[in-house]
Amino acid sequence: DTGVSQNPRHKITKRGQNVTFRCDPISEHNRLYWYRQTLGQGPEFLTYFQNEAQLEKSRLLSDRFSAERPKGSFSTLEIQRTEQGDSAMYLCASSFNRGTEAFFGQGTRLTVV
Amino acid sequence: QKEVEQDPGPLSVPEGAIVSLNCTYSNSAFQYFMWYRQYSRKGPELLMYTYSSGNKEDGRFTAQVDKSSKYISLFIRDSQPSDSATYLCAMLMNTGFQKLVFGTGTRLLVSP
Repeated sequence: DTGVSQNPRHKITKRGQNVTFRCDPISEHNRLYWYRQTLGQGPEFLTYFQNEAQLEKSRLLSDRFSAERPKGSFSTLEIQRTEQGDSAMYLCASSFNRGTEAFFGQGTRLTVV
Repeated sequence: QKEVEQDPGPLSVPEGAIVSLNCTYSNSAFQYFMWYRQYSRKGPELLMYTYSSGNKEDGRFTAQVDKSSKYISLFIRDSQPSDSATYLCAMLMNTGFQKLVFGTGTRLLVSP
């Protein structure tokens, strides 16, 4: 499978717990993005990496959220002290230089109870 | 007002119909326009993108951009039940910007 891979596909957690999601981009892609999608809405931009550098962060990314991309390969998105409002689909996408051809993974669906 | 507006639908059509999906936007700085298809509980799949105004065709899909009206369209010819999905438009100012701005998506239902 040469597409964008996200794990886990589903995560149920109790409010206040920390969760971490992983994204493995398409191997030659240097750009990696995280988006969040809630029911009935389009994806909303969270953050973007070029290689290992995090170059842009949305105001949606509160202090409880942190993303990393060590060595410019896979990326992790961690949410600390989860809240019910964090329940959403977290989508990862990657591209090679051109933001016009971003390919998305299947997403991680987070439910905070 | 959202930067990108899209009718959520659902849009119900019979198999074989021509489908027209549309988005309007407010930011004239957008130059690249994408269409994604998203099946239930899956990630968005890139269908096609266009730069600036004009048409682009790919098989049964045609994308149109009218920058003067800030209006974009996706036409699907000979629609199939397998086309039933949510269609998302997305926009980008230029390739130096990485933030895709999405519409809410239009749910399309094609009945056999």
